[in-house]
This record gives sequence, C-alpha cells and structure tokens, in this order.
Amino acid sequence: EAQVTQNPRYLITVTGKKLTVTCSQNMNHEYMSWYRQDPGLGLRQIYYSMNVEVTDKGDVPEGYKVSRKEKRNFPLILESPSPNQTSLYFCASSFVGLAVYNEQFFGPGTRLTVL
Amino acid sequence: SQELEQSPQSLIVQEGKNLTINCTSSKTLYGLYWYKQKYGEGLIFLMMLQKGGEEKSHEKITAKLDEKKQQSSLHITASQPSHAGIYLCGAPITRNTDKLIFGTGTRLQVFP
Repeated sequence: EAQVTQNPRYLITVTGKKLTVTCSQNMNHEYMSWYRQDPGLGLRQIYYSMNVEVTDKGDVPEGYKVSRKEKRNFPLILESPSPNQTSLYFCASSFVGLAVYNEQFFGPGTRLTVL
Repeated sequence: SQELEQSPQSLIVQEGKNLTINCTSSKTLYGLYWYKQKYGEGLIFLMMLQKGGEEKSHEKITAKLDEKKQQSSLHITASQPSHAGIYLCGAPITRNTDKLIFGTGTRLQVFP
C-alpha cells in the first residue's frame, strides 16, 4: 500500500531532550515536507526537500533540523525541544515539487507534547 | 507575507443541504489545493486548481478558482455525514515555488 508513515504517533517529552520524528514513504517520491499544525494558526511548513541531500526552509524552520540521506526517509530533528514546539506534526511527500502542482500525500501525524 | 483566509471558520449543516467554503488570498494566487482532514488525522487531497476560471468536480464536491478575486470556493452538494471534517486550502507563495501556505481551515459538521 502506498503510504507515508510517521513514528512515533504520540510523544511526550521534556524541555531540552533531543528527539527525532521519523518519516518514510514507499512511493519513490522526490519531494518531502514537514508541517506543524496549531489551533488558530493552521498548517505551516517547516522544511522541505526536493531530493536527496537537498533541503530548504519553509515558513517556520527555527528550532528544527532535517536531513535527507535517502530518498524514502526525511526525519525531523528537534535538538533542544521547547514547550512552544508542542504541536501536531505532519510529513508529506509528492512525486516532484509543488511547482508543478502535484498532489501531496500526508502521513497520519505525530502529536508532540513538550513539558 | 501572503495569507489565506477561509470562511466560514465553522459550519454546521443539516444532511442534504448545499454549502460553500471560501478561500481568499491576500496576494496573487498561483494555483490552489483543497484538502480534507478528519479530526486529528492526516490530510486527504481533494483537488488542485491551476488556472483562473478552472473548475473541478469530484463526486459531490466542486471547486473553482477565481484569479481576479484571488479566491477559490469549494461547494458541496447534498451534504452527507461523511463530508464532515476540516477543509483546508493551500497555495504556493509564488509561481514555481515549492513553498506552500495553508489557510486555517473550515470545520464542517453535518447532522442527520
């Protein structure tokens, strides 16, 4: 089944404890992206990647890191999480970049709470 | 920076009624996506519109893009409980960009 998977689905952590949220897609998509969703603020793009070793900042990249060493994986790294990073996170992928208006496939989301 | 404003923010309709959700951009639109989200879950792609005047339909959902008004509308005909969820519009911030912004969503409830 074609899908985007994220792990973990739920995570409660404490301020300053490094964490990684994994994202994997099995559709051989080149483009991958991370979003966070907050009440009243909607969905905001954190980082995106056009291909292996190619990443770029979205709207809200501060406090996050990403890497794209393999085409299928795009982990989101929080080196020193803070309470304002408590949010619902989504990973998404598409065949090529959005500039050619491609459908993005979204993962099920990771609900992160930072105490 | 560009913003996408959706209206209404929340909508409660009786099953069988028609409804319209609007997405208005503060800047020129270079295409628009519509997604549906079930509460707390991932987004499901509905359709994308690329050109002004374009209209697309899928089952009972129709979306139009009005470039001059910098607006898109999503119309649901004869709503059903399965239509309930949060509808989000998204748009590229400039032409030929891979940066995307989203509206804050419209929460739709459909009661029998």
